[in-house]
Amino acid sequence: QSVLTQPPSASGTPGQRVTISCSGSTSNIERNYVYWYQQLPGTAPKLLIYKNDQRPSGVPDRFSGSKSGTSASLAISGLRSEDEADYYCAAWDDSLSVAFGGGTKLTVL
Amino acid sequence: EVQLVESGGGVVQPGGSLRLSCAASGFSFDAYPIHWVRQVPGKGLEWVSLINGDGDKTFYADSVKGRFTISRDKSKNSLYLQMKTLKSEDSGLYYCAKDAVSGFWSGCLDQWGQGTLVTVSS
Repeated sequence: QSVLTQPPSASGTPGQRVTISCSGSTSNIERNYVYWYQQLPGTAPKLLIYKNDQRPSGVPDRFSGSKSGTSASLAISGLRSEDEADYYCAAWDDSLSVAFGGGTKLTVL
Repeated sequence: EVQLVESGGGVVQPGGSLRLSCAASGFSFDAYPIHWVRQVPGKGLEWVSLINGDGDKTFYADSVKGRFTISRDKSKNSLYLQMKTLKSEDSGLYYCAKDAVSGFWSGCLDQWGQGTLVTVSS
């Protein structure tokens, strides 16, 4: 059972906007930064969002992150077929560990 | 270009031991904490362990504490994970991942290797 809670699946049609939620607690999301990772099939995870809402160089601005209290969200606008992947939220936890969400499988219909 | 290349995975019997390695290049190795993260194929990510840049501070997930030991060798630009008393639930793809922050751990993993597969089975 993962420390952070994500919906197991999400879906949308090309061009749509989808959001993926991530719920945690005071010891992780509320007190620390949230990160999002994208894992395409058969590949290693890739950092998508850092410090709640910052995009690494090369990540399209269609991807955005937000945080409020003990929850965070990843939004993907202008959905494209290549966005079909697993998405994971993560945060440092005050118990001196990294907390991951269980992952959300995004399907582009 | 940052590169992290894991090796050492394989098939081991329950109760056995295995040592994973992660060869790093393309960045100042001793400046950054490095993590191990594992993933059962088809399942989610699980954080395993972290070591700071100097190698004198280590952290572990409760599920591996007392059985796994993380270490690093600056002279070889390499990270290690010594795994003992292995259980079937330790099976998975083990990734090493670089922390994004120099000098202190943040939990932000900005570079990942491709992983090495560990199978614990009789």
